[in-house]
Amino acid sequence: DVKVTQSSRYLVKRTGEKVFLECVQDMDHENMFWYRQDPGLGLRLIYFSYDVKMKEKGDIPEGYSVSREKKERFSLILESASTNQTSMYLCASSLPTSGMTGTYEQYFGPGTRLTVT
Amino acid sequence: DQQVKQNSPSLSVQEGRISILNCDYTNSMFDYFLWYKKYPAEGPTFLISISSIKDKNEDGRFTVFLNKSAKHLSLHIVPSQPGDSAVYFCAGIRRGAQKLVFGQGTRLTINP
Repeated sequence: DVKVTQSSRYLVKRTGEKVFLECVQDMDHENMFWYRQDPGLGLRLIYFSYDVKMKEKGDIPEGYSVSREKKERFSLILESASTNQTSMYLCASSLPTSGMTGTYEQYFGPGTRLTVT
Repeated sequence: DQQVKQNSPSLSVQEGRISILNCDYTNSMFDYFLWYKKYPAEGPTFLISISSIKDKNEDGRFTVFLNKSAKHLSLHIVPSQPGDSAVYFCAGIRRGAQKLVFGQGTRLTINP
């Protein structure tokens, strides 16, 4: 059974603080993702990693960076938190898809509700 | 560019009746579609999927229909139960791609 865990369920930070959100998966998945969920906007991809030390920008990378030093761990960093980064942050992992096969399914963690004041 | 659209932000259905959630897409390159269900304060969980070479996939109370010519898919839940109250996201993906493209979500409320 795939398990994706996130370091905090709820987090409150002040404007300008550096914020680290940690995600760990236990299924040896190559792919890991960071999304944010906002009402009416769905799930928007912030960053994606397909291997250790490899990353790719998603749809809304501005104000964020990521780190993947180990296969099972993917960190999202808010360099200087701002109020418009108040959101639900979701981490996901998946196997790589290729050719005709592939499950395509992503497994999500429980989310971190971040409030920036 | 919203490649996957769920035009109904919310839907209210009576318990025991059919719930129909709709999703439209613009990217004809999508080969696979997935539906996810999300409760508040939890991560989304996979519900059901369909390949673009099929027009229907069924799993218990859940059936997904795909109309490629209309670029439209729908999720049918029969019968609807209170535990089905959640936000539902549809997503598309191209074969060989790694990233899902999600819609905005539809909040389904099942009324007793």
